[in-house]
Amino acid sequence: AQSVTQLGSHVSVSEGALVLLRCNYSSSVPPYLFWYVQYPNQGLQLLLKYTTGATLVKGINGFEAEFKKSETSFHLTKPSAHMSDAAEYFCAVSEGVGGGADGLTFGKGTHLIIQP
Amino acid sequence: NAGVTQTPKFQVLKTGQSMTLQCAQDMNHNSMYWYRQDPGMGLRLIYYSASEGTTDKGEVPNGYNVSRLNKREFSLRLESAAPSQTSVYFCASSLGQGFHGYTFGSGTRLTVV
Repeated sequence: AQSVTQLGSHVSVSEGALVLLRCNYSSSVPPYLFWYVQYPNQGLQLLLKYTTGATLVKGINGFEAEFKKSETSFHLTKPSAHMSDAAEYFCAVSEGVGGGADGLTFGKGTHLIIQP
Repeated sequence: NAGVTQTPKFQVLKTGQSMTLQCAQDMNHNSMYWYRQDPGMGLRLIYYSASEGTTDKGEVPNGYNVSRLNKREFSLRLESAAPSQTSVYFCASSLGQGFHGYTFGSGTRLTVV
């Protein structure tokens, strides 16, 4: 069975500092991996995804994530935080078709706080 | 190009009342989902529909029913609302092939008093 662990329910960084949000997963097959962002009072929006190929994936708003199979990780980074990055971030994993349709499992989320 | 549309956006119910949350997608997606989001709990799957004509229980189905009316529409019904069902409800859809991810609606904020 697949699962996702996001380390840190809250992460606080200063504006202009590096953003690092951690995600570890477990999966019995090569997974598809996703990061979603949720701004206040809005739905979830796809930030980036890894399916196959290059393990460093670039997304919207300057975010990127690297799939590391040996570490079962898919950490999200951004070199320089902006105030507008303050939001809730969710990591998700899918083993493909089967189970709950896509079988997408979400982590519990990390609230990113940007200090001025 | 609406994506996933949820109605209503806000609702206040009294304990014991019933209501239906509506969801429609215009992307010709096969699969649709209902989640609830509570502080510190992340997203929890209530029900899903892998394809038109099928529905299945998710992690927290008690107190809810669903209907996949057609390929576009997937509704969630609360027959007798309880304060524990106060939450934000999200509908999502996908092609159902695993690697596309989900498209989410903007949510329904439900309060049961």
